[in-house]
Amino acid sequence: AQSVTQPDIHITVSEGASLELRCNYSYGATPYLFWYVQSPGQGLQLLLKYFSGDTLVQGIKGFEAEFKRSQSSFNLRKPSVHWSDAAEYFCAVGAGRNTPLVFGKGTRLSVIA
Amino acid sequence: NAGVTQTPKFQVLKTGQSMTLQCAQDMNHNSMYWYRQDPGMGLRLIYYSASEGTTDKGEVPNGYNVSRLNKREFSLRLESAAPSQTSVYFCASRGGSAGRGTDTQYFGPGTRLTVL
Repeated sequence: AQSVTQPDIHITVSEGASLELRCNYSYGATPYLFWYVQSPGQGLQLLLKYFSGDTLVQGIKGFEAEFKRSQSSFNLRKPSVHWSDAAEYFCAVGAGRNTPLVFGKGTRLSVIA
Repeated sequence: NAGVTQTPKFQVLKTGQSMTLQCAQDMNHNSMYWYRQDPGMGLRLIYYSASEGTTDKGEVPNGYNVSRLNKREFSLRLESAAPSQTSVYFCASRGGSAGRGTDTQYFGPGTRLTVL
């Protein structure tokens, strides 16, 4: 069965600094990988997804993520964080069509001035 | 398109009361899901329906039942609510007629449930 680990429960960064959120997955075959963002009191919104091809994927709001098969990782990055990026971020892995995504426990991002 | 809608947004129950959380999607998706979100626990799958007419248990199904009423609607029922079911509940849907693994999963806005 697939699983996802987000090692960092809470990260604080300064506005304008770069950001990297870590995600490690466990799955035997080629995974489908997703990053979602949840603002306070809201549902989850897709940031980006990877399923094949170029291992660096671009998403919304200036985010990108890189798939590294050798490290079983799919880390999320942003070159310059804005205060509005403060939210909770979830990494997820999917096995195939119509199967439930498995989510990590999330990383809460705080942004300070 | 409204996407995934959930009702109610908030609910307070007393221990032992029952209620049904409603979910509907207008994206013609095959699969629908119910998750609960608790602090530090992430999203945990309660039940899912891979297609109309089928339902399966997820990670934490005890104390819940579901009904896939039609392709659009997937309800979650608490027959006898307990304080441990205090949580935020999210409905989600995924997968068009082709049903690919790359399909995005879309979430509703959530229902905040408190059981006293």
